[in-house]
Amino acid sequence: NAGVMQNPRHLVRRRGQEARLRCSPMKGHSHVYWYRQLPEEGLKFMVYLQKENIIDESGMPKERFSAEFPKEGPSILRIQQVVRGDSAAYFCASSQRDGYNEQFFGPGTRLTVL
Amino acid sequence: AQTVTQSQPEMSVQEAETVTLSCTYDTSESNYYLFWYKQPPSRQMILVIRQEAYKQQNATENRFSVNFQKAAKSFSLKISDSQLGDTAMYFCAFMKPYQGAQKLVFGQGTRLTINP
Repeated sequence: NAGVMQNPRHLVRRRGQEARLRCSPMKGHSHVYWYRQLPEEGLKFMVYLQKENIIDESGMPKERFSAEFPKEGPSILRIQQVVRGDSAAYFCASSQRDGYNEQFFGPGTRLTVL
Repeated sequence: AQTVTQSQPEMSVQEAETVTLSCTYDTSESNYYLFWYKQPPSRQMILVIRQEAYKQQNATENRFSVNFQKAAKSFSLKISDSQLGDTAMYFCAFMKPYQGAQKLVFGQGTRLTINP
């Protein structure tokens, strides 16, 4: 049973470019969470999505960041006009349903902005 | 808002020793979940152990156990008979159990090194 998949594992962008990070949840999971980990820090919640719905985006920066989880296909975290401060590891997690407490994490995408 | 604090940035012990990692949290909720996650050098987040606040009994998973003190809002992790493979960052995390509120709130982490 495949776990949570994230790609790419490493992404290098120059300032001003766009970054697209993909997350495929575990089979049977319909809830996706994105977290960001800055160097030497803990993970910080960004956004919680169900299929075609954003449930909680309280951790998302107001500008340049967006997320979606379409009916078909992976969840996408999109960062427009990247800046050096966006360099971080971005983790996706999934769970079976709302109210279920265990989240299974993907391996993360390390974004480096030059 | 909930906060989680891990006051030990780094710890180091010899193989086979017992080590305890500290975690305190702040919440006005009466029911919630607490977790310890391990992040080895591969950076994969691995769930070590979880505790439901309404359960008084401390959770255990093989060599890993917790000391959950609800009144003190303390949730420490004890690793017995430590092994080299336990070397990792350890994060304490909090979650409300309500629908639509599933986000994990993490502490800053403790870097644990097990020496041979």
